[in-house]
Amino acid sequence: DTGVSQNPRHKITKRGQNVTFRCDPISEHNRLYWYRQTLGQGPEFLTYFQNEAQLEKSRLLSDRFSAERPKGSFSTLEIQRTEQGDSAMYLCASSPLDYREAFFGQGTRLTVV
Amino acid sequence: AQSVAQPEDQVNVAEGNPLTVKCTYSVSGNPYLFWYVQYPNRGLQFLLKYITGDNLVKGSYGFEAEFNKSQTSFHLKKPSALVSDSALYFCAVRDGDQAGTALIFGKGTTLSVSS
Repeated sequence: DTGVSQNPRHKITKRGQNVTFRCDPISEHNRLYWYRQTLGQGPEFLTYFQNEAQLEKSRLLSDRFSAERPKGSFSTLEIQRTEQGDSAMYLCASSPLDYREAFFGQGTRLTVV
Repeated sequence: AQSVAQPEDQVNVAEGNPLTVKCTYSVSGNPYLFWYVQYPNRGLQFLLKYITGDNLVKGSYGFEAEFNKSQTSFHLKKPSALVSDSALYFCAVRDGDQAGTALIFGKGTTLSVSS
């Protein structure tokens, strides 16, 4: 059990560019979550996968955001045409079952300049 | 849809005194409730959870929480605070009756323990 791994840890991009983040969950955890967190705030839910199926997506999530989880293993989160408001920490978490706690990665800090 | 409210942005307590961090929730079905802690520049760490059973649950670092169904609350408590408990605390809820629902977090409460 090596924990949830997120790459890259930091990303600085120019406004209008596309970025992609990767999350490797704990092996055999079939639930995977993406959250966004700004300074001093709680994690804001973005989307949720059970295996390869994307079961829920926040209504607040712009169409510029897309996530995939091919084969139910790692997941990617892509942001197209980044805006300064997208600057935040993007967190990934995984859990084996609904009644088990979710384990979080260290996050990817995105800065849009 | 489920939601969580943490009514206090900050809680201040002196070392050695008891602490309480408040959380109320809203969910259609049976709640699965969690508390997490976040230290500066660190990831979220799980503290404890309530799924079913005894309303008083015990977790890491001497923390405990009491589930109150009638008040839809899940307050985090510790009998004697330590300076090292100073951190950001998050309450989270999932609807246990609906498979495949997301884990939703509150906005967090900053706990400051003074020596």
